[in-house]
Amino acid sequence: NAGVTQTPKFRILKIGQSMTLQCTQDMNHNYMYWYRQDPGMGLKLIYYSVGAGITDKGEVPNGYNVSRSTTEDFPLRLELAAPSQTSVYFCASSYPKGGVVSSYNEQFFGPGTRLTVL
Amino acid sequence: QKEVEQNSGPLSVPEGAIASLNCTYSDRVSQSFFWYRQYSGKSPELIMSIYSNGDKEDGRFTAQLNKASQYVSLLIRDSQPSDSATYLCAVLTGGGNKLTFGTGTQLKVEL
Repeated sequence: NAGVTQTPKFRILKIGQSMTLQCTQDMNHNYMYWYRQDPGMGLKLIYYSVGAGITDKGEVPNGYNVSRSTTEDFPLRLELAAPSQTSVYFCASSYPKGGVVSSYNEQFFGPGTRLTVL
Repeated sequence: QKEVEQNSGPLSVPEGAIASLNCTYSDRVSQSFFWYRQYSGKSPELIMSIYSNGDKEDGRFTAQLNKASQYVSLLIRDSQPSDSATYLCAVLTGGGNKLTFGTGTQLKVEL
């Protein structure tokens, strides 16, 4: 298993451009997440999904969009890139062990995408 | 008040010593707690999870949970230079769907 994969690893955008960050997992996990991490900071949740066709906003969703058409893929779309979106983006996936949502939620992270907006 | 708080450090300990990392959280109904290790330029990796009050040991790592005090800690015994990293405390929130992370504590293990 490759686990959680993300592409690209690095990207430089100009202000106003758009792009899609790709995330794929091969662990058949129901839950998928997008985080951003600014220097010296913890992880901030952008969007998450509990299954195909279901997405919800996290703590910092403005300027981003997501879709979840399959269990494996969870792309993050940036429209009209701004310098404030310069960050490292991590995708993660998890599953509710034993079918009980609140009992356990180990998240597995992808390697990250380092995005710079100039 | 931040939902999950950690001292940013850096916390410096000599090789072979015990490193103690602390975390407090604000949501009293939280039930699941996690410690992630993150090396510079890398993604977080889970090293410990704890759900019940008390201690949980795994090799050189011990997680401690006190729900009454809303306090989680991570002890690293016999610290090694390879333990030098940022340690992120995470708490399961939002009905079990979401993790809220602290800002992390940077640990430096010195020779």
